[in-house]
Amino acid sequence: NAGVMQNPRHLVRRRGQEARLRCSPMKGHSHVYWYRQLPEEGLKFMVYLQKENIIDESGMPKERFSAEFPKEGPSILRIQQVVRGDSAAYFCASSPPRTGNYNEQFFGPGTRLTVL
Amino acid sequence: QKEVEQNSGPLSVPEGAIASLNCTYSDRGSQSFFWYRQYSGKSPELIMSIYSNGDKEDGRFTAQLNKASQYVSLLIRDSQPSDSATYLCAAITNKLIFGTGTLLAVQP
Repeated sequence: NAGVMQNPRHLVRRRGQEARLRCSPMKGHSHVYWYRQLPEEGLKFMVYLQKENIIDESGMPKERFSAEFPKEGPSILRIQQVVRGDSAAYFCASSPPRTGNYNEQFFGPGTRLTVL
Repeated sequence: QKEVEQNSGPLSVPEGAIASLNCTYSDRGSQSFFWYRQYSGKSPELIMSIYSNGDKEDGRFTAQLNKASQYVSLLIRDSQPSDSATYLCAAITNKLIFGTGTLLAVQP
């Protein structure tokens, strides 16, 4: 029973390039969340998606960042024109369809983005 | 005021002792609470969830919730060196909000 999968695990980009991070949720999970963790800081919520829908993007920077979860294929977090401050660990989590407020989220291994 | 607050530690306990990790939250509308363990360089791993006032036990772990005091805690009995990690408290209303974590060091 595969867990949440993320790739690549490590990504190096130069300033101004684009970064694409992929996430495949656990089997049976229809909700995907993206978080960013900066060194010595906590996990910060970025965006919550269901298939073909962005439910909550209140944690996403307004510029350069976008996310999608298409009908087929993994969820993609896209960062355009990366800057050094984008260097961080990006984690994806997934959860099964919600029942009330119960919402256990399970995390993937993360993508470590380094911007040179 | 941070939405979920934890003491950053490090909390150092000897092997075999009880480790007590504490967390407070500011949003009274929070309904569900979670403890995650994160080893250095790894992803968070869910170890406990709690939704109702009182205690919830799972093996060596006990989560405690007091909604009136807006307080969540995690007790780890018979602490082992392998328990050394950062423990993240999280609360959910419409999204999951994490504290910055408490670093636990279990000394052999």
